[in-house]
Amino acid sequence: NAGVTQTPKFQVLKTGQSMTLQCAQDMNHNSMYWYRQDPGMGLRLIYYSASEGTTDKGEVPNGYNVSRLNKREFSLRLESAAPSQTSVYFCASSENVAGDAVTEAFFGQGTRLTVV
Amino acid sequence: AQTVTQSQPEMSVQEAETVTLSCTYDTSENNYYLFWYKQPPSRQMILVIRQEAYKQQNATENRFSVNFQKAAKSFSLKISDSQLGDTAMYFCAFSSPSYNTDKLIFGTGTRLQVFP
Repeated sequence: NAGVTQTPKFQVLKTGQSMTLQCAQDMNHNSMYWYRQDPGMGLRLIYYSASEGTTDKGEVPNGYNVSRLNKREFSLRLESAAPSQTSVYFCASSENVAGDAVTEAFFGQGTRLTVV
Repeated sequence: AQTVTQSQPEMSVQEAETVTLSCTYDTSENNYYLFWYKQPPSRQMILVIRQEAYKQQNATENRFSVNFQKAAKSFSLKISDSQLGDTAMYFCAFSSPSYNTDKLIFGTGTRLQVFP
């Protein structure tokens, strides 16, 4: 089982360049998420997609856009990269069943992005 | 807004000893879930243990157990018989069914070093 696959694993960008981080899950999960991890800050939610066809802002959405391409894929785009976007980015997915439960989130391996 | 606080940035323990990592949270929700995630040097996020707030019994997974004090809004992780492979960052996280997704609010993490 591949689970959640992110590409690329490492990337260096120059300030002002654009790029798209790709994420795909093979668990037929309804919800997908993008987090960033910074030293001393933990993981913070950038955007999420509760179900196919919907996207919503998280805690730190500025400077990012997302696309839920289909049920499997959820991409994160940096239109004009800034040094403040240097971080480790994680994609995650979860089943997200309706009702009173919270289901487990599964994470990808992360992308280390450096903006110079 | 919900917050998760981990007040111990770093901890160390000798192999085979027991260590407890602290986590406190703030919420007005009545139904919620708490999690401990492990992040080894490989960067992978691994779910260690979860606790449903409506359950009075503390969750246990092999050498890992929690002390869930709902009134005090405290959720500590106890690792018994520590092993070298337990060396990692540990994140406490919160979620609630009221979010209608499984999005997580993370603490800032505790870096645990297990010494031989």
